[in-house]
Amino acid sequence: EVRLVESGGGLAQPGTSLRLSCAASGLTFEDYAMHWVRQVPGRGLEWVSGISWNSYSSAYADAVKGRFTISRDNAKSSLFLEMNSLRGDDTALYYCVKGEQPTLMYYFDSWGQGTLVTVSS
Amino acid sequence: SSVLTQPPSVSVAPGKTATITCAGNDIGHKSVHWYQQKPGLAPVLVIYFDTDRPSGIPERFSGSRSGNTATLTISRVEAGDEADYYCQVWDSISNYVFGTGTKVTVL
Repeated sequence: EVRLVESGGGLAQPGTSLRLSCAASGLTFEDYAMHWVRQVPGRGLEWVSGISWNSYSSAYADAVKGRFTISRDNAKSSLFLEMNSLRGDDTALYYCVKGEQPTLMYYFDSWGQGTLVTVSS
Repeated sequence: SSVLTQPPSVSVAPGKTATITCAGNDIGHKSVHWYQQKPGLAPVLVIYFDTDRPSGIPERFSGSRSGNTATLTISRVEAGDEADYYCQVWDSISNYVFGTGTKVTVL
């Protein structure tokens, strides 16, 4: 069974940084693209960023481009999201999500339980 | 970028059929995937590539697509089907786009 466990969320002041981590188990991590999807409580889902199996390709939503950086460590089955210049509208529950392909395409087939990021002064 | 429009809510009596639509201008050339999200839980994939069901998803869940509208149908609705449902597409320009979401209420 695939298990994705996020950590690193919390309260951050506007303009500061946070680093999210995701520990994966129950899968051959290096075989799949991985993503971050966020959800403002009570609102819809928004894809944030994705990275291919070998880290050669990454992509970002326009709302976070230039501020967030996704990375992965296949040796440690871990996914990361470096979040800089945080803004109030970055406040959300951030899910670590497994893609069903090695590259950035199609759909997501496993989700973590999320880590909450709150940006407020 | 792509915009996927879903009805905000659908109400259905137990045992009846719920129909959730997902409309987008350019959806006709893309595969549509559907997720179920129960309160307080992470989303779960229920339909992929328009019509396919992952293992463990009941046959009561089915998907279809016609022109620029995709449809998720839940037959013989049960109380446990009460959840938010989201459609999603991918393309090489917009990347991943989710629909606006539909809250299904079982009466």
